[in-house]
Amino acid sequence: ELKVEQNPLFLSMQEGKNYTIYCNYSTTSDRLYWYRQDPGKSLESLFVLLSNGAVKQEGRLMASLDTKARLSTLHITAAVHDLSATYFCAAAYSGGGADGLTFGKGTHLIIQP
Amino acid sequence: SAVISQKPSRDICQRGTSLTIQCQVDSQVTMMFWYRQQPGQSLTLIATANQGSEATYESGFVIDKFPISRPNLTFSTLTVSNMSPEDSSIYLCSVEDLAGVNIQYFGAGTRLSVL
Repeated sequence: ELKVEQNPLFLSMQEGKNYTIYCNYSTTSDRLYWYRQDPGKSLESLFVLLSNGAVKQEGRLMASLDTKARLSTLHITAAVHDLSATYFCAAAYSGGGADGLTFGKGTHLIIQP
Repeated sequence: SAVISQKPSRDICQRGTSLTIQCQVDSQVTMMFWYRQQPGQSLTLIATANQGSEATYESGFVIDKFPISRPNLTFSTLTVSNMSPEDSSIYLCSVEDLAGVNIQYFGAGTRLSVL
């Protein structure tokens, strides 16, 4: 059974600082996702990581995947208030087809001015 | 990208009644997924709906409680049956874009409160 653990679950940081959210998964996964959720809203797709060593960046967010360590990270550079949200990682394994996702518990991120 | 429309966006229901949630996608997809997000919690997969076959339910979810229909490649419904306050959650449908990018898109969700 695939399990996904995220940490920290809660993070309060100041604008301008850097920080990393960690996502560990328990068994083989061929896809790792990062989503953002604002209060009362649905999920916004940030990144999909498909292979070992994959690194993707969008603005101040960078995600990476290490399949050997079963670890993905979401790095926030020079945080700004607008990045305050809950961030979820999710994993799936389906051998290439579509499959439902197993989510981590989410990281509630507050960035203070 | 896929555009997903969910109806209703929210509802308040009485204990013992049933609610059917609709999910419409703007393109044909093989599989649709239904998730539940309890207040302040993460998402849990309820079932996978494949057109032309019975839905596949995850552990802890049963067809009698959450019957699913998938009549064509762009539409699915999830019914929450014989509701209790513990069913108060956000229910979301999702589809995967298999056009080379593997992104899973989510609908806006249905916020259900059971009194």
